[in-house]
Amino acid sequence: EAGVAQSPRYKIIEKRQSVAFWCNPISGHATLYWYQQILGQGPKLLIQFQNNGVVDDSQLPKDRFSAERLKGVDSTLKIQPAKLEDSAVYLCASRPLVNSPLHFGNGTRLTVT
Amino acid sequence: AQSVAQPEDQVNVAEGNPLTVKCTYSVSGNPYLFWYVQYPNRGLQFLLKYITGDNLVKGSYGFEAEFNKSQTSFHLKKPSALVSDSALYFCAVRGPASGGSYIPTFGRGTSLIVHP
Repeated sequence: EAGVAQSPRYKIIEKRQSVAFWCNPISGHATLYWYQQILGQGPKLLIQFQNNGVVDDSQLPKDRFSAERLKGVDSTLKIQPAKLEDSAVYLCASRPLVNSPLHFGNGTRLTVT
Repeated sequence: AQSVAQPEDQVNVAEGNPLTVKCTYSVSGNPYLFWYVQYPNRGLQFLLKYITGDNLVKGSYGFEAEFNKSQTSFHLKKPSALVSDSALYFCAVRGPASGGSYIPTFGRGTSLIVHP
């Protein structure tokens, strides 16, 4: 079984620039999450999708962050414009069933200078 | 609101000794509890979970965890630590679904260092 794929692995941008991250979940996993992990902290949920619909985006800073999952498979997370405090690892995760554990990708490490 | 506390930023143990990584939680209703491990520059990997049943749950790589409802704890344990167990460990909890979201909340993580 192929794992959750994320790209790029690393990204360095200047503040006020825009950036996009891509995630391809495990085949058949209807639920997809984006988490933000700041150094020294646990993952914090940004958004949850069920197929191509948003289930929870209450913690997504919508003035600068956006996410979509148009066909219920791949997902993209965008930041525009980026701030210094957005420096973090962005993790994508998926799961097949309600009580299943999450399967995480290796993340994208974003550095905003 | 649900929350997880991992009171130790770092746990040090000698190889071959038993290890414990502590986790306490707060949630409305019956908890669904998880432990994940994170190696450098990698995503989180699932170790074990408690949903219902026996309070002692066995997971991957010889790890186990004990659910204690009265103390709202879910400590991770291993009888004999290996140097290769050195990593970051995260406890996560979620309660019964609210609006269908089933969102797990993660603790801040505990760095386990196993010395040869």
